[in-house]
Amino acid sequence: QKEVEQNSGPLSVPEGAIASLNCTYSDRGSQSFFWYRQYSGKSPELIMSIYSNGDKEDGRFTAQLNKASQYVSLLIRDSQPSDSATYLCAVPRRDDKIIFGKGTRLHILP
Amino acid sequence: EAEVAQSPRYKITEKSQAVAFWCDPISGHATLYWYRQILGQGPELLVQFQDESVVDDSQLPKDRFSAERLKGVDSTLKIQPAELGDSAMYLCASSRVPGQGWNTEAFFGQGTRLTVV
Repeated sequence: QKEVEQNSGPLSVPEGAIASLNCTYSDRGSQSFFWYRQYSGKSPELIMSIYSNGDKEDGRFTAQLNKASQYVSLLIRDSQPSDSATYLCAVPRRDDKIIFGKGTRLHILP
Repeated sequence: EAEVAQSPRYKITEKSQAVAFWCDPISGHATLYWYRQILGQGPELLVQFQDESVVDDSQLPKDRFSAERLKGVDSTLKIQPAELGDSAMYLCASSRVPGQGWNTEAFFGQGTRLTVV
């Protein structure tokens, strides 16, 4: 099992709909979870961090964490064409290394 | 707003030549990371510093790559000699502290796009 797994996509979502991005991780000791957005040719930009089980909302973004299932997700409500990007899930291990998934390409259809 | 500074933004070099990248982390960030990202893949950690000390360089190809952070602030990553397979985006990131919990988020610079010809 890979340390951080994401579906590579592309995930196509109509404008205005909810985009749902998923990530699973292998290290049960991980306590912090990050979502980054990366536009083509640009560097990753931190958009959400979550530390506790449950939901965390920030504007149109909601991160959901279930440590028992080792699962973290990102929901984007009212998807906009500007949300089209690759979304990277990142999880610090117990040895302090931050491991990234391969990313999910999201395409918002106008 | 504080940012991670990297230079150069783009670099084209011939194989077997030496190349160097520079990174200045956000002020007050003790942890500095160098990642390499190949197109279509997630960032891969090359080396991690805590202040001036290397805490992880297990994925750094030490026969050709070197990294230093002499005064615990800015850092340089060097490749000598460069190979065609080194073409990638080299990303520097910093965080206030490493590990788990608050203030461990890593913030990235704009990256250096390296092309080896």
